Amino acid sequence: DQQVKQNSPSLSVQEGRISILNCDYTNSMFDYFLWYKKYPAEGPTFLISISSIKDKNEDGRFTVFLNKSAKHLSLHIVPSQPGDSAVYFCAASQNRNAGNMLTFGGGTRLMVKP
Amino acid sequence: DGGITQSPKYLFRKEGQNVTLSCEQNLNHDAMYWYRQDPGQGLRLIYYSQIVNDFQKGDIAEGYSVSREKKESFPLTVTSAQKNPTAFYLCASSILAGRPDTQYFGPGTRLTVL
Repeated sequence: DQQVKQNSPSLSVQEGRISILNCDYTNSMFDYFLWYKKYPAEGPTFLISISSIKDKNEDGRFTVFLNKSAKHLSLHIVPSQPGDSAVYFCAASQNRNAGNMLTFGGGTRLMVKP
Repeated sequence: DGGITQSPKYLFRKEGQNVTLSCEQNLNHDAMYWYRQDPGQGLRLIYYSQIVNDFQKGDIAEGYSVSREKKESFPLTVTSAQKNPTAFYLCASSILAGRPDTQYFGPGTRLTVL
């Protein structure tokens, strides 16, 4: 039972355009969401996060949107750059005594073409 | 220069052998985690530890063992009981108290069983 899903395994975008990566979740107890970026043969790097009390968080070219009623979040990258080409994972967390446990989606490979 | 280190980067093992992957952090984080990534898939949690001398099984703990004798170190042993050990292994750490739930990852170890 996948609680966090990234339904698009890959996305191709032209340099300078907007990249939109999507993520859906099923567990209504999730209250914190993160996006990670991963290059091949490297560990994921934290990119941006959002708490469930917000619907938008922005950091430079990266914006994350959260639609709680739809259990959907998205990552917007504007403008896209070739260096953004990587696999992007969304992750979700819920506040519980077990600590900061994250549930990851399967990832979306973004390719930004020059 | 704070961070998480994993060694070795590449590891080869013969079937039937146990092998230990190293993970060290100097971020003074309380919690540490081990994940496995298979090609085209997301991250799956193997084990986690919130405090020294204590650890918990994740979603796919069978065939693996861990120890947490020091706050800085969380080695993972892949035993001969693990049926499909070839994968990319990632170690992460995080603060334990409070939110946000950001986990910081090491560079990973690619294990290949010959």
